[in-house]
Amino acid sequence: ETAVFQTPNYHVTQVGNEVSFNCKQTLGHDTMYWYKQDSKKLLKIMFSYNNKQLIVNETVPRRFSPQSSDKAHLNLRIKSVEPEDSAVYLCASSPRGDTLYFGAGTRLSVL
Amino acid sequence: QQQVRQSPQSLTVWEGGTTVLTCSYEDSTFNYFPWYQQFPGEGPALLISILSVSDKKEDGRFTTFFNKREKKLSLHIIDSQPGDSATYFCAAANSGTYQRFGTGTKLQVVP
Repeated sequence: ETAVFQTPNYHVTQVGNEVSFNCKQTLGHDTMYWYKQDSKKLLKIMFSYNNKQLIVNETVPRRFSPQSSDKAHLNLRIKSVEPEDSAVYLCASSPRGDTLYFGAGTRLSVL
Repeated sequence: QQQVRQSPQSLTVWEGGTTVLTCSYEDSTFNYFPWYQQFPGEGPALLISILSVSDKKEDGRFTTFFNKREKKLSLHIIDSQPGDSATYFCAAANSGTYQRFGTGTKLQVVP
């Protein structure tokens, strides 16, 4: 049963465009995350939000920015996409920082 | 810098056989070790997890072992089934921090 919803499922865009991905969780968790999964399936943390406060921000390029309106929503904006941004972006939530509940991901292709 | 190493990268097992995946880590403060299972087109989902105070946890056909001294953990799947074919990730975390993921193992169970 899906409880972390991501939109869109797939997005194709060109270099330099701005894109935005949405994530909503219905589990009532306090913490949400964005992970990037590359073509080799490697999972890397990008951002973590706890009650709308950014608590982790790995060394991601400045063109990436998380946006949260409340603890159930965490969106991801990429200001000017680059070819290396092609990947699957996975949103997750967690009740206490232990088990992660992932969405199905948004696959981004940058032409 | 890969903080959690996982092997093998891929594995083929006959139906009914035993699958063994291994991981090692460096940070001795890690105390929570989940294993996730990911099917194509889906996000990872928790399979089983273990805390550093334990050395073994079993859930049906899945067992995870933890060796604190050697900083290693493993996942054993007995009676492997074609439906177990997926990518498996180990992860590690300590209290209040985000999970670091291993590089993943693609498992194929052949009938």
